[in-house]
Amino acid sequence: DARVTQTPRHKVTEMGQEVTMRCQPILGHNTVFWYRQTMMQGLELLAYFRNRAPLDDSGMPKDRFSAEMPDATLATLKIQPSEPRDSAVYFCASGLVLDEQFFGPGTRLTVL
Amino acid sequence: GDSVTQMEGPVTLSEEAFLTINCTYTATGYPSLFWYVQYPGEGLQLLLKATKADDKGSNKGFEATYRKETTSFHLEKGSVQVSDSAVYFCALSGYMNYGGSQGNLIFGKGTKLSVKP
Repeated sequence: DARVTQTPRHKVTEMGQEVTMRCQPILGHNTVFWYRQTMMQGLELLAYFRNRAPLDDSGMPKDRFSAEMPDATLATLKIQPSEPRDSAVYFCASGLVLDEQFFGPGTRLTVL
Repeated sequence: GDSVTQMEGPVTLSEEAFLTINCTYTATGYPSLFWYVQYPGEGLQLLLKATKADDKGSNKGFEATYRKETTSFHLEKGSVQVSDSAVYFCALSGYMNYGGSQGNLIFGKGTKLSVKP
């Protein structure tokens, strides 16, 4: 049963610290997405990749967030420095073009 | 750009009641349409989908019909259960912005459903 995996599942950190979240997409999927979910804003698309190339990162605060795919089995989302307003659940999803997306279980981030 | 509008929640129903969650969309071209469900503490998972006009997607007693004439994809279930309590998201595959990248899913804001015994 192929699944998207995310680590860590929970992260508590202090303001100013660097946070790195990792995602392993489903093998064979060529599109990877990063989302952020909060009560106030709902589900927001931060960035997405196709065939490891970034296609759209317009939803991401450029000064502190960065997303990469060093290889086909790993996507990373980094926040440096983190701020309390970054507290949210971050989801990774993978899929094929114009088809359904498979979501991971999320990383719950709390920045104190 | 393309967009999805779904009814605001929360929706509270008694067990065995009929459920409708409205979803309308604006899109260029001929998108596929999806309903996702998010149970507490979990990621979103696909509930059903339809890829062309007049298609009906169905799963777990839920169904939705792709209506091009009314640009709608309303979710229905004849008899809800407590276990259906979750947040439901309508989505379409299409363009984020005019001239933008294709291939993303555009989500509505979600509708929270609570079913009471």
